[in-house]
Amino acid sequence: NAGVTQTPKFQVLKTGQSMTLQCAQDMNHNSMYWYRQDPGMGLRLIYYSASEGTTDKGEVPNGYNVSRLNKREFSLRLESAAPSQTSVYFCATQAGSGVGEQYFGPGTRLTVT
Amino acid sequence: LAKTTQPISMDSYEGQEVNITCSHNNIATNDYITWYQQFPSQGPRFIIQGYKTKVTNEVASLFIPADRKSSTLSLPRVSLSDTAVYYCLVGDKPYNTDKLIFGTGTRLQVFP
Repeated sequence: NAGVTQTPKFQVLKTGQSMTLQCAQDMNHNSMYWYRQDPGMGLRLIYYSASEGTTDKGEVPNGYNVSRLNKREFSLRLESAAPSQTSVYFCATQAGSGVGEQYFGPGTRLTVT
Repeated sequence: LAKTTQPISMDSYEGQEVNITCSHNNIATNDYITWYQQFPSQGPRFIIQGYKTKVTNEVASLFIPADRKSSTLSLPRVSLSDTAVYYCLVGDKPYNTDKLIFGTGTRLQVFP
């Protein structure tokens, strides 16, 4: 089992370009999350999906959109990248939507110049 | 807000027991306490979760006093591989963004 996978691992964008970060899980979990982590900081929740077909905003959703394509996949899209979006992006999954253990992917390191 | 406060950093030596305390004065009745570990260039990894008293697993112990306003993560006999950042979170649902907040964590450095 691969657990939680993210693609790409690294990406460099120019300001104004768009891209989609992909996340896939084979754990049959209902909930999926997108976080960003800036240097020396903790993680901040961007968007989450409590179940297939539903998505909701987290703490820092501006500049992002998400799609819960199916139970396995949850993508994060930057429509017009800005330098402030330079960060490491982590996808996470959880079996339920309440108290429990989250499983994190390896992260995508994004630089916007 | 169920905000948490942790020491910014701690140093230890191999073989010692390390105790990291987290303060959460505004913890709510339904909130659980969860600890994650993060190594450089990796996603966080769940360590332990508890509601009250003491929880122990193969990796760590979590001590929670009766008032639940603080908690202590105990790592027995640390090794160099325990060097990481440790996050304390308090909440009942991951998407309650005013609760389950990853703060800056505690950076533990283990020396030989």
